[in-house]
Amino acid sequence: DAGVIQSPRHEVTEMGQEVTLRCKPISGHDYLFWYRQTMMRGLELLIYFNNNVPIDDSGMPEDRFSAKMPNASFSTLKIQPSEPRDSAVYFCASGSWSRGGADTQYFGPGTRLTVL
Amino acid sequence: QQQVKQSPQSLIVQKGGISIINCAYENTAFDYFPWYQQFPGKGPALLIAIRPDVSEKKEGRFTISFNKSAKQFSLHIMDSQPGDSATYFCAASSGGGADGLTFGKGTHLIIQP
Repeated sequence: DAGVIQSPRHEVTEMGQEVTLRCKPISGHDYLFWYRQTMMRGLELLIYFNNNVPIDDSGMPEDRFSAKMPNASFSTLKIQPSEPRDSAVYFCASGSWSRGGADTQYFGPGTRLTVL
Repeated sequence: QQQVKQSPQSLIVQKGGISIINCAYENTAFDYFPWYQQFPGKGPALLIAIRPDVSEKKEGRFTISFNKSAKQFSLHIMDSQPGDSATYFCAASSGGGADGLTFGKGTHLIIQP
């Protein structure tokens, strides 16, 4: 398996612009997680989905952030409008807790976002 | 999410030595405790994990010790090698890990040759 795929790997944008981060989970995984990593706050859970349904979005910092999972093989994290304090590395992870699943989370390589 | 406290922030160990990283948690609902290893520019990768029904788990040179009453767990790296130099994160979750991970702040480990 190719693992969790994220795109783009790097994104540089200007304040006020819309940013869309993309994630393809590992095939067969029924859970998908979005995390953010910064020096100040470390790794934080933003939102997670089970069977394409958002389960907990309490970590989403504010209304400028939104996430969708239209099908089992694709998810997006959108920031509109972006601000410099959104600069971070955003990770997507997937996992499976169904029968025969690995019961753990596999992380993608991340998207490094810089908002100028 | 409840906090997971990790120490030390940084650690220097000589090659062949034992590296020890400690974590403490607050939420008694946590039932899954993984350790992740992260190299610069890469995503975190699962190293080893434990559930609270056991007090110790060993995989190769890596061992997790778990103390449920003290709400503490630690990672021991035996015979530390320069290739182990990385940032290590402890984490905790409920739902067997399915509820999302709460991470410690990380330990930057350097193994000196």
